[in-house]
Amino acid sequence: SQTIHQWPATLVQPVGSPLSLECTVEGTSNPNLYWYRQAAGRGLQLLFYSVGIGQISSEVPQNLSASRPQDRQFILSSKKLLLSDSGFYLCAWYLTGVGGTDTQYFGPGTRLTVL
Amino acid sequence: DAKTTQPPSMDCAEGRAANLPCNHSTISGNEYVYWYRQIHSQGPQYIIHGLKNNETNEMASLIITEDRKSSTLILPHATLRDTAVYYCIVRVVSNTGKLIFGQGTTLQVKP
Repeated sequence: SQTIHQWPATLVQPVGSPLSLECTVEGTSNPNLYWYRQAAGRGLQLLFYSVGIGQISSEVPQNLSASRPQDRQFILSSKKLLLSDSGFYLCAWYLTGVGGTDTQYFGPGTRLTVL
Repeated sequence: DAKTTQPPSMDCAEGRAANLPCNHSTISGNEYVYWYRQIHSQGPQYIIHGLKNNETNEMASLIITEDRKSSTLILPHATLRDTAVYYCIVRVVSNTGKLIFGQGTTLQVKP
């Protein structure tokens, strides 16, 4: 069966510091991968998605970037964090027809606090 | 993707059916209706989806009106664990698989 991992689970970082969040998927090949952010009390915002290795689409202009160095690995990065980057970061994967449905499966998330 | 409108919040008594409405009056013929829910501090969870026929699975039922301009998610016997934010999303099936989440409906199941 498929499993999605995210780490770390929680992170506290000072303003201006770099960021690297990692997401890996097991049990599937060539999935679409997604990064979402949820600010406190807000809805989910799609940040990036990738349909293959090295292919990244950005949905919202940010000081964040994403990379997909391997088929089942998706990384979210920042060179300098802002206070507004605080939030709950979720990674998800999608594969057409898996389980008979076209659905996205979400990881456990990383809660980032920028101080 | 078509825009959806959901009430911001609803209450339901434990053991009773929870009926969550969603309006999607600009839906296109090739757009599906998807429902996800997000329990506090967790990632969203897929519930059900449909095109034009009513659908049922072990979690819920989805009723889509004949003109497809609205739908209702039904949790037949709500429990306290069903307290969550419920998102109605309308989209075409595409190779990007993108989901655009709105504000959803916060369902509070009360004992």
